[in-house]
Amino acid sequence: GENVEQHPSTLSVQEGDSAVIKCTYSDSASNYFPWYKQELGKRPQLIIDIRSNVGEKKDQRIAVTLNKTAKHFSLHITETQPEDSAVYFCAARHTDKLIFGTGTRLQVFP
Amino acid sequence: GAGVSQSPSNKVTEKGKDVELRCDPISGHTALYWYRQSLGQGLEFLIYFQGNSAPDKSGLPSDRFSAERTGGSVSTLTIQRTQQEDSAVYLCASSFSPGGSSPLHFGNGTRLTVT
Repeated sequence: GENVEQHPSTLSVQEGDSAVIKCTYSDSASNYFPWYKQELGKRPQLIIDIRSNVGEKKDQRIAVTLNKTAKHFSLHITETQPEDSAVYFCAARHTDKLIFGTGTRLQVFP
Repeated sequence: GAGVSQSPSNKVTEKGKDVELRCDPISGHTALYWYRQSLGQGLEFLIYFQGNSAPDKSGLPSDRFSAERTGGSVSTLTIQRTQQEDSAVYLCASSFSPGGSSPLHFGNGTRLTVT
């Protein structure tokens, strides 16, 4: 079945620094890759997504890149702020559902 | 507008009892998903509904787990003879388009504790 691996599991950065989270997927037919942010005790919320017909997408301080050949995609957060602290999940579409990575706990220290 | 609503928000039950978890998706969303999140873990796929039918039940952990959806809207996840390893947050999500290629909107989840 489809497998999505996510690294690192935890990430600590200083406010203002950049953070990068990486994911790999196994199903070459996957064509949709969303990223979700889950704050403590809250529901996961979509922050950005990318489809397989583009290689990069940016929205203010966050960007996602996709390398279909290598089957990996990454989330980049620039100028991190304390409110970026949360668990981030990548996901890849497999048949009719999303398969999620195991999550990255990001801590941004002021 | 209203988001995905789940009830109860918390459920504590004794081992061996049956539980029912409810999900009310966003109006007009045809696709509905159940995921399970164990403490500090990722989101484990359980089952997917398109309308009232479940084309993909591959994630249900055992035959103690079942789910149904009626009227293309509300869904119920039932766990029979609960075990301690069933303790987790059960998340429901809905999306406008089927097939996993449009954003999922999650509910707040039901935190299930089996004692």
